[in-house]
Amino acid sequence: DQQVKQNSPSLSVQEGRISILNCDYTNSMFDYFLWYKKYPAEGPTFLISISSIKDKNEDGRFTVFLNKSAKHLSLHIVPSQPGDSAVYFCAAGGGTQGAQKLVFGQGTRLTINP
Amino acid sequence: KAGVTQTPRYLIKTRGQQVTLSCSPISGHRSVSWYQQTPGQGLQFLFEYFSETQRNKGNFPGRFSGRQFSNSRSEMNVSTLELGDSALYLCASSRPGDSGANVLTFGAGSRLTVL
Repeated sequence: DQQVKQNSPSLSVQEGRISILNCDYTNSMFDYFLWYKKYPAEGPTFLISISSIKDKNEDGRFTVFLNKSAKHLSLHIVPSQPGDSAVYFCAAGGGTQGAQKLVFGQGTRLTINP
Repeated sequence: KAGVTQTPRYLIKTRGQQVTLSCSPISGHRSVSWYQQTPGQGLQFLFEYFSETQRNKGNFPGRFSGRQFSNSRSEMNVSTLELGDSALYLCASSRPGDSGANVLTFGAGSRLTVL
């Protein structure tokens, strides 16, 4: 039962353009959502989060949008830079999952082309 | 401040053996979680410890176990290793009690290869 899904295994974007990564979830009880970025040979690092009571959160070049009715969230990166090339994971937590447990998607590999 | 430290970083075992992985959380973080990452599966939750007690457990067989010590350091053990246990094992720590999202800080992981 995959509660959090990232349906695009990979995405390629031109440097300077917008990158949009998508994530769908099935459990309407999640309280918050997060995006993590992972480089090879490193652990995931936290990027940005959003509470289920909001529909948008912005931090510099990164914006996360939440559409609760569609159970969908997206991460926008503008403008995209070569250093953004990494695997991005969306995650969800809270609600019925219990304390301190995050449910992750499968990840999307983002490649920024110069 | 020092991040989450995992040892060993890489290890190779054979089927049937057992393995112990270690995790030192960020100072002051009392919650330690373990995740398994395999290609195409994302990160799968193994278990979470807080104050030496397992608070939450994922859907893994009993061969996977863990513990936490009084200094918050944690170990996880996998017994009777199978080929499918080959994965990156990630440890993460957090400071429960903060309001809002539970932001986990991950270590670099221990990459286990089972031959």
